[in-house]
Amino acid sequence: DAKTTQPPSMDCAEGRAANLPCNHSTISGNEYVYWYRQIHSQGPQYIIHGLKNNETNEMASLIITEDRKSSTLILPHATLRDTAVYYCIVRVDIYKYIFGTGTRLKVLA
Amino acid sequence: KAGVTQTPRYLIKTRGQQVTLSCSPISGHRSVSWYQQTPGQGLQFLFEYFSETQRNKGNFPGRFSGRQFSNSRSEMNVSTLELGDSALYLCASSFLGGVTDTQYFGPGTRLTVL
Repeated sequence: DAKTTQPPSMDCAEGRAANLPCNHSTISGNEYVYWYRQIHSQGPQYIIHGLKNNETNEMASLIITEDRKSSTLILPHATLRDTAVYYCIVRVDIYKYIFGTGTRLKVLA
Repeated sequence: KAGVTQTPRYLIKTRGQQVTLSCSPISGHRSVSWYQQTPGQGLQFLFEYFSETQRNKGNFPGRFSGRQFSNSRSEMNVSTLELGDSALYLCASSFLGGVTDTQYFGPGTRLTVL
C-alpha cells in the first residue's frame, strides 16, 4: 500500500505558484520522499527528492516539515505545460517505488 | 545522454498470445525495473533486475516474467494474454537501484489485448 496521501485534484492559475501537498505520516527516518509527474500517459518524469532538508532544483522546490510527516512540492511559476498528474512517493523499498493515486494538477490560462 | 528507450511503443495482441517488450536503460545504469499502469490499479511494480538477477518481484502471476542481459538491457514477457493485461508497461532504470538512486522512466509500451 502507498504510504502517501494526496488530494485527487487541484487547479492553479498560469504564472502563479502551484503548491502540491503530500501527507506521509508513517514515514521512517531513512525513507526519502520522491516527486514525479506524468503527462498524458507518458512515462513518469522525475522532479525532485529529499530526506529532511528542503530541496530546490531548476524545476521545483520541495519543502519537508520538521517532523517529516508531510511535504509540499512547489512549482514557482506554473505554465500550461505543467498540467499533469503529480505523484509523491515514499521510498519504502530500495528496489521499487510504490505509487499512490497522485494529484491531477490543472493549470488554467 | 540518451534516456530510457522502450520498444515497441504500441502493440495489439489477442487473448492467449504472448508478448515480449524491450527496454534499454540509460547508459551506465545497471538496475532496470518494470511497472504496469492501468486505469483501475494505477502504477504497480512488476519486478526489478540488476546484473542479470531478479532482486524483487511484485504481486503478479507467473505469466509475467522478465530477464536482463549482460549489457543491462531488459525484456519482459507476458504469456497467455488476458484482456486485463491491456496496460501501459513502463520501464525505469537507475544506477544501482539503491535507496538514493533516482529511477528514470521510459515512454512506455501501450499493450492492447483484444
